[in-house]
Amino acid sequence: GQNIDQPTEMTATEGAIVQINCTYQTSGFNGLFWYQQHAGEAPTFLSYNVLDGLEEKGRFSSFLSRSKGYSYLLLKELQMKDSASYLCAEMDSNYQLIWGAGTKLIIKP
Amino acid sequence: IAGITQAPTSQILAAGRRMTLRCTQDMRHNAMYWYRQDLGLGLRLIHYSNTAGTTGKGEVPDGYSVSRANTDDFPLTLASAVPSQTSVYFCASSEVSGGTDTQYFGPGTRLTVL
Repeated sequence: GQNIDQPTEMTATEGAIVQINCTYQTSGFNGLFWYQQHAGEAPTFLSYNVLDGLEEKGRFSSFLSRSKGYSYLLLKELQMKDSASYLCAEMDSNYQLIWGAGTKLIIKP
Repeated sequence: IAGITQAPTSQILAAGRRMTLRCTQDMRHNAMYWYRQDLGLGLRLIHYSNTAGTTGKGEVPDGYSVSRANTDDFPLTLASAVPSQTSVYFCASSEVSGGTDTQYFGPGTRLTVL
């Protein structure tokens, strides 16, 4: 199977910027998704990248490098409500999502 | 519009019992999915359905079955529950299958098998 790697946990300060990295295997790639999941809740869609480059959406941006099998989610002006897990998922050649284990982001005042 | 609903919210079940987790969507999405989420692991696909009347196996299908009699409903059945099926189960849907459509998730069912 394909492996999705992302850090288990990160800590950042309110108002700061944090970058969450994700690496994936490049064979059969059909896009890279980021989801947010608050504790005890369902995952919710944040972003989708299929072409190289940066996609900006408000305080959140997502970057993709297909040749390197690398993506990151950038969160600016962090707020306490951003404390959540961030899930990276690759869409494979069968258009099924392969999910990373998620990065738990802890925001401190 | 509710989106996707799941029932029950949580359940404690004795090993060996049969259990059906319900999932209903009102978005008229063609594709539906069942995932399980375990601590330290990514979401894992159990079964999926690209359209009403069809189903397929995901990464971890053993011990589970599904049906898709209509567009809205996609129940997941555990024929004889085992403790390793203790998990949080999420149902999801997307407008089309075989493409890069966003998947939308239900609130989940927390299942404990003793």
